[in-house]
Amino acid sequence: KAGVTQTPRYLIKTRGQQVTLSCSPISGHRSVSWYQQTPGQGLQFLFEYFSETQRNKGNFPGRFSGRQFSNSRSEMNVSTLELGDSALYLCASSLRDRGSSGNTIYFGEGSWLTVV
Amino acid sequence: QKEVEQDPGPLSVPEGAIVSLNCTYSNSAFQYFMWYRQYSRKGPELLMYTYSSGNKEDGRFTAQVDKSSKYISLFIRDSQPSDSATYLCAMSGFTGGTSYGKLTFGQGTILTVHP
Repeated sequence: KAGVTQTPRYLIKTRGQQVTLSCSPISGHRSVSWYQQTPGQGLQFLFEYFSETQRNKGNFPGRFSGRQFSNSRSEMNVSTLELGDSALYLCASSLRDRGSSGNTIYFGEGSWLTVV
Repeated sequence: QKEVEQDPGPLSVPEGAIVSLNCTYSNSAFQYFMWYRQYSRKGPELLMYTYSSGNKEDGRFTAQVDKSSKYISLFIRDSQPSDSATYLCAMSGFTGGTSYGKLTFGQGTILTVHP
């Protein structure tokens, strides 16, 4: 069974540009969430989607956005990139919706973004 | 103060040692507790998953949750050099509209097991 797949794995962007990252969840998983990982702040929650609807959003500026498609695949976009956006962006998927009794969350390998 | 506190280490132990990793938390709404292992330049890999209080064992790994003390632990028995990685505790719950899909992580503990 394939895991969570993220593309691209590595990318370099210039300040002011925008970037789109893609995530394919584990087959059958309907919940997708995104996290940012940096050495200073650790892993921080960006947002979560279920059935194409954003269920929760972390404390990030509006430059960070996402969406989920009907096949559960998800994308996140960062506009007007800043140097501080350099990070590992992780996508995670889970089978369950909120309120369910189980919620095992699996991560992809991440997309390494460097802003220069 | 962070919702989840984890000693970042680094922690260095000899092969075969028992390793104890810990996290404390402040949000009493947390109900699901997880431990992830992350190798350098890789995504976090789920090791253990526990609901509410209690112990759970899987091979060389044992996870403990004490909700009354807001304290969770991961024990690694007979540690191996291949266990060298960063270990992250993570928690979730359903509070005021926040879904279970949001994990709150500790800072991670860097573990090195030397032969």
